[in-house]
Amino acid sequence: DARVTQTPRHKVTEMGQEVTMRCQPILGHNTVFWYRQTMMQGLELLAYFRNRAPLDDSGMPKDRFSAEMPDATLATLKIQPSEPRDSAVYFCASGLGHVVGSPLHFGNGTRLTVT
Amino acid sequence: GESVGLHLPTLSVQEGDNSIINCAYSNSASDYFIWYKQESGKGPQFIIDIRSNMDKRQGQRVTVLLNKTVKHLSLQIAATQPGDSAVYFCAENGNFNKFYFGSGTKLNVKP
Repeated sequence: DARVTQTPRHKVTEMGQEVTMRCQPILGHNTVFWYRQTMMQGLELLAYFRNRAPLDDSGMPKDRFSAEMPDATLATLKIQPSEPRDSAVYFCASGLGHVVGSPLHFGNGTRLTVT
Repeated sequence: GESVGLHLPTLSVQEGDNSIINCAYSNSASDYFIWYKQESGKGPQFIIDIRSNMDKRQGQRVTVLLNKTVKHLSLQIAATQPGDSAVYFCAENGNFNKFYFGSGTKLNVKP
């Protein structure tokens, strides 16, 4: 059963440290989304890639967040420097963006705690 | 961006009853909608979807209804079971094929 894989599942770090979250999309999927989930904001769209190219990262704080897809099997979300307000669950999702009516499939997230 | 919201943040139902979860969306150009179920510690899981050229779609114990006139989406769960307890999100496929999510409804199923 194909699934999106995210690592690490949990990350606790101190303010100011760099955090890197990784995502392996489902093989063959050409779109990758990064979402952040908090109790207050729900699921916020941070960035969106299609065919490894960033199409929209307007949801990300540009000064500290960066998202990349080094290859088709790996997407990364980096925070440098991290702050306590970044504490949240970060989800990656992949899909077939060229197919209308194709749903997103989510990983189980990375729970980030910044102290 | 688009605004997708929910009418009821928490819904409690008796086991065996039917559940209805509602969602309002704001982008009349959205052409695809999805309901997701999220259990504690997991990512959202696909339940059922519907294209804008339909007004009803049925799955196993679940039905999605779409009313484009009032921009309203609902999820009906028949014979609700304890395993249905979770947070349910609606999502719309908005501009540039991006997916926007509502704030979620928590469903509590009482035995």
